[in-house]
Amino acid sequence: NAGVTQTPKFQVLKTGQSMTLQCAQDMNHEYMSWYRQDPGMGLRLIHYSVGAGITDQGEVPNGYNVSRSTTEDFPLRLLSAAPSQTSVYFCASSRPPRALTGLYEQYFGPGTRLTVT
Amino acid sequence: SQQGEEDPQALSIQEGENATMNCSYKTSINNLQWYRQNSGRGLVHLILIRSNEREKHSGRLRVTLDTSKKSSSLLITASRAADTASYFCATDARETSGSRLTFGEGTQLTVNP
Repeated sequence: NAGVTQTPKFQVLKTGQSMTLQCAQDMNHEYMSWYRQDPGMGLRLIHYSVGAGITDQGEVPNGYNVSRSTTEDFPLRLLSAAPSQTSVYFCASSRPPRALTGLYEQYFGPGTRLTVT
Repeated sequence: SQQGEEDPQALSIQEGENATMNCSYKTSINNLQWYRQNSGRGLVHLILIRSNEREKHSGRLRVTLDTSKKSSSLLITASRAADTASYFCATDARETSGSRLTFGEGTQLTVNP
């Protein structure tokens, strides 16, 4: 299994440009999430999905759109890039918590480093 | 705002010593998780402790959870240079179990050979 893959690894955008960060997983995970990580900080949740066709906002959704048309893919769209969106973006996936134990773990992709000038 | 807050922000120890990191959080949780991030890489899940558990072990890792104080600690015993990384706690709230984690700001651990 490739796990969680993200493309591109690096991207430089000019203010106002739009682009899509790609995320795919081959583990048949129902749950997928997008986070951003700014220098010296933890991850902040942008959007998440609990299954194909279902998405919801996280902590910092403004300026981003997502869709989940398949179980495997969860692209993140930047509508009009701003310098404040300069960050490292991580995609993650997991199964739902196990019914009896509540156990699960999120698998993270390697990240996309985005710079907006 | 960050749900989890790690303490200390940075920790430097010698190989073989134990490393302890703490995490505090604000709201009720379903479980608390610890992740490791090597420089420039994605996060790797280390351990999950449920709200009804007080202590959990995994290899050289020991996690405790005190829900009355809303705090957790991660102990790495007999540390190695390869343990050098950032460590994050993440909380999973009761009403959104499994679908959205809230991460702390992390502890940067340096283990000197």
